[in-house]
Amino acid sequence: SYELTQPPSVSVSPGQTARITCSGDALPKKYAYWYQQKSGQAPVLVIYEDSKRPSGIPERFSGSSSGTVATLTISGAQVEDEADYYCYSTDSSGKGVFGGGTKLTVL
Amino acid sequence: QVQLVESGGGVVQPGRSLRLSCAASGFTFSNNGMHWVRQAPGKGLEWVAVIWYDGSNKYYADSVKGRFTISRDNSKNTVYLQMNSLRVEDTALYYCAREGDADHLPNSFDIWGQGTMVTVSS
Repeated sequence: SYELTQPPSVSVSPGQTARITCSGDALPKKYAYWYQQKSGQAPVLVIYEDSKRPSGIPERFSGSSSGTVATLTISGAQVEDEADYYCYSTDSSGKGVFGGGTKLTVL
Repeated sequence: QVQLVESGGGVVQPGRSLRLSCAASGFTFSNNGMHWVRQAPGKGLEWVAVIWYDGSNKYYADSVKGRFTISRDNSKNTVYLQMNSLRVEDTALYYCAREGDADHLPNSFDIWGQGTMVTVSS
């Protein structure tokens, strides 16, 4: 079955740039989506279609995709950005798949 | 306001069945695909199933295919997940999520419920 691979954890100091990667064989043909989940809360969409930012999401969140790797970048990470981040995409049959998630620590 | 409210979770023995419901409000339900996503305690998100806006197509994760059935009633603004032959590994918080349409956050999960907990245990 199709898999998306993320690093389990990323750690940065406040104000630094955090980059979270997501690798998958179908990403050259399929969009990546990124979700932020804070403790005890439902996920929130932060990036869609590789690089688009929904309204209300701070400009410091950006996304990109090249080949088999999609990247979520948080420029000038804030303490409030500390959360779990999940990439999501679909396989060729229309089934969805999430990456394993990345715990972002900002301290 | 736009809202999804899940219900139907609980404690059930392995091999038994349970039906989850997700009631939508604040938007035209029949315009959007709907998904179920689950999260086992302390674990990551797992996509479970999707049903198209008109119910014409349904897709399932391999882990639930043949045991779970997604359906919807557009007259009741509700999506369902019938779960049969439940296993211990199905224990999770089950979220329903709205899929954005072509004009707004396409193919994204733009609205999530708060989830309903399913515990499978003997």
